[in-house]
Amino acid sequence: DTGVSQDPRHKITKRGQNVTFRCDPISEHNRLYWYRQTLGQGPEFLTYFQNEAQLEKSRLLSDRFSAERPKGSFSTLEIQRTEQGDSAMYLCASSSMGPDEQFFGPGTRLTVL
Amino acid sequence: KNEVEQSPQNLTAQEGEFITINCSYSVGISALHWLQQHPGGGIVSLFMLSSGKKKHGRLIATINIQEKHSSLHITASHPRDSAVYICAVKGRGSNYQLIWGAGTKLIIKP
Repeated sequence: DTGVSQDPRHKITKRGQNVTFRCDPISEHNRLYWYRQTLGQGPEFLTYFQNEAQLEKSRLLSDRFSAERPKGSFSTLEIQRTEQGDSAMYLCASSSMGPDEQFFGPGTRLTVL
Repeated sequence: KNEVEQSPQNLTAQEGEFITINCSYSVGISALHWLQQHPGGGIVSLFMLSSGKKKHGRLIATINIQEKHSSLHITASHPRDSAVYICAVKGRGSNYQLIWGAGTKLIIKP
């Protein structure tokens, strides 16, 4: 399967704990995006990488959130000191420079108790 | 007023019916996406359009750039088509950001 993959698919954690999610984009895609989606809402943009460079961060991405893409391939999204309001589906997408059609992963559903 | 408006918000139909979901936008765009999301699931890209019409199986997407309007049609609808269908546009001059519609929740009854 050469689609976008995310790990884990589900994460349940207690408030105050740190969590890290991983996204593996389609191999030839140099653009990578993170979104957050809460129940009944559309996705909200969090951040965008072109290769290893993080080019844009949403104001939604507080200082508890950090994303990396160290080698321009997979990316990680870390949330420190999780809060109940962080409970959401975290979606990753990737695209190539040309067509720029974003392909989405299955998402990581985070539940903060 | 949202920059991307979808209608209807909710749609329930019988199996076999022809389905139309509409998307209107108010900004200049370089591309429009139609995506599908099943309950609790990830998002699947159905189409990316910048002009004309695309067809994939029972799905057809059209766009009228002058009228700033796109439609997604499903022929011979089936219960497995039940999902949320989302329209998202890439603004002209934007490198990456998509402007998302609120989605249309489609239920196809057997």
